[in-house]
Parts: sequence; structure tokens; C-alpha cells
Amino acid sequence: KQEVTQIPAALSVPEGENLVLNCSFTDSAIYNLQWFRQDPGKGLTSLLLIQSSQREQTSGRLNASLDKSSGRSTLYIAASQPGDSATYLCAVADNAGNMLTFGGGTRLMVKP
Amino acid sequence: DGGITQSPKYLFRKEGQNVTLSCEQNLNHDAMYWYRQDPGQGLRLIYYSQIVNDFQKGDIAEGYSVSREKKESFPLTVTSAQKNPTAFYLCASSMTVLETQYFGPGTRLLVL
Repeated sequence: KQEVTQIPAALSVPEGENLVLNCSFTDSAIYNLQWFRQDPGKGLTSLLLIQSSQREQTSGRLNASLDKSSGRSTLYIAASQPGDSATYLCAVADNAGNMLTFGGGTRLMVKP
Repeated sequence: DGGITQSPKYLFRKEGQNVTLSCEQNLNHDAMYWYRQDPGQGLRLIYYSQIVNDFQKGDIAEGYSVSREKKESFPLTVTSAQKNPTAFYLCASSMTVLETQYFGPGTRLLVL
């Protein structure tokens, strides 16, 4: 059964820092991997989706990489801002693409 | 305004009571999903539906039931058999099961 782990569980950084969030998964037979953002008490917003055949995706200050063979993905946030404060979740889709398995999330606080 | 709506925002359940959470989408998506999120944890899949009149159990379906009589609607019933229902419930939809999921704002269920 797929297991997804995110480290660290919480992170606090000063504004302007570049930072990396980590996601690891146990079964490399995935269809895709997604990074989501969740604000407190709200739903999820999709940030980036990487297909299993891709190595990375970029959107603005965000860059996500995927290494299927080692079961790892990273989300890189450049020049962090207080508005980036949220919980970031990664999720992997099984090989049929039917089901997402989520990690526990990393709670990010960017201090002004 | 296109999107996914969930109601109510907060729901209180008494002992032995069944309650139903509403999820509606006007995105013309075929696939819909229900997830449960416990504090500080990721999401776990309860049920999903790939198409009208069809649905499949997820990882934690026990104590829950769903129906998919219309494309736009995927209500979730939390039955009295679910002994620990207190959680944040999120509904999502996607064009097909292979594509990005879009999430609603969530319903917080509390037990009196």
C-alpha cells in the first residue's frame, strides 16, 4: 500500500528565504504527483502537477521536482513571502490514476 | 461562477444520528470524490465516483454511504455506524479520474 511522508511537519522561516519542502513515497509505480496548498479551515488549491514521465514543473516562484526511482519529490519556493504561509500537501496518484494518497503536510510560516 | 460548493460549513451530529453532507459542482466534471481530514493529518479517501450511477469505496468507507444520481451532485451520508465522525470533510471533482482534482471549501462535522 502506498505511503506518503512529508518532512518537516512544520517550518518557520524569515521572509525572503528560499526553502525546500520534501515528499517521499514508497511505491514508485505512480501516475502523477501533485502539490497542494491549504489555508487554515479551507479546501485545497492545486499548485503543480508532475506526470510520472516528467522531472519537474515550474509555476512562478514554485518549482517541483520528481525522482520516481528514489521515491522523492521536492517543492522549492523562492524568495518566500508572508502570503506563502499555509500547509503544503503532496499527493501521489496510483498507476491507474484513480486514487490520490496524501502526505501529512508541511505547515509553513513565513515571518515578516 | 464555476466551482464546487459544500454545505453546510459546520454540521453537528447527535449520537445515533445519520447526517448528510452536500457537494455540488457546475464544472461538468465526470469524477467526484470525498475525503476526510483529521487535525494535522493529510486527506484519506472515503468514496469516489467516476461517472453517474457508479461509485467505489476508498480507504475508509466503513460508516459512510454515497449516491451519484446526478452528474452535479455527490452527497455523503455519515451513518451512526461511524463511531468517530468528528473531522473536516472535503469534496473534490475532476474532468476524469486521470486529471487534476479541484476541491470544495469543506464541511466541519462535530459530535454533540
